[in-house]
Amino acid sequence: GENVEQHPSTLSVQEGDSAVIKCTYSDSASNYFPWYKQELGKGPQLIIDIRSNVGEKKDQRIAVTLNKTAKHFSLHITETQPEDSAVYFCAASNTGNQFYFGTGTSLTVIP
Amino acid sequence: SAVISQKPSRDICQRGTSLTIQCQVDSQVTMMFWYRQQPGQSLTLIATANQGSEATYESGFVIDKFPISRPNLTFSTLTVSNMSPEDSSIYLCSVEKGGAWAFFGQGTRLTVV
Repeated sequence: GENVEQHPSTLSVQEGDSAVIKCTYSDSASNYFPWYKQELGKGPQLIIDIRSNVGEKKDQRIAVTLNKTAKHFSLHITETQPEDSAVYFCAASNTGNQFYFGTGTSLTVIP
Repeated sequence: SAVISQKPSRDICQRGTSLTIQCQVDSQVTMMFWYRQQPGQSLTLIATANQGSEATYESGFVIDKFPISRPNLTFSTLTVSNMSPEDSSIYLCSVEKGGAWAFFGQGTRLTVV
C-alpha cells in the first residue's frame, strides 16, 4: 500500500516568514494530493490540493508543488500569520477513495 | 463541498462500556469513512462504511470492536465497544465527494477512564 512520510514534525517561524512542509509518497499510482489544516479541537480542513497532471498550484499565500518523478510534494505558506498556527497533514490518494495521511507537522508562527 | 455533523463532540466513558458516534452529512454520498486519531498522531483509517453492505475494515480493526452501521446515503454510526483507556482518541467521520475530495466532521473526542 501507499506510505506517506512528512517532514518536519514541528516547525516554528517568525510572523511574516515562509514555511515549507515536505511529503514523499511511495505508490506511483497516487494521483491526488490534498493538504489539510487541523486546529485544536477541530477536524482536518482541506486548504489546497493538487492533481498529478499539474506541477504547481497557488491560492493566495498558500502554494503546493508536486514532483512526480521524485514522488514528493510540498506545501509553501508565505507571509505567515499567527492564525496559520495549526497541525498540517499531507495525504495521497489514488482515485480519491482512500487517503493515506502523513504524520503531521505542528506549525507555530511566532508573533 | 459537504457539511458533516458528528455527535457527540466529546465524551468521557467508563471502561467496559460502549459509545456510539453518529455522523450526518448534508447530502448523499457514496462512501463514508471512519478514522481514529490518537493524541498527537496522524489519522488512521478504521473502516469504510458502505450503504447496503457490511463495512470494510482495515488491518487491525475488527467488526466486534468497532461495529458500523450505514442505513442510508447520509448517515452512519460507529460504535466503540467494550472500551479501555487505549481507545481514548479522536474519532473522525469523513466523506468522499466530487471524485476526490475528503471532508471531515469536527471529530468526537473520547476519553475512557
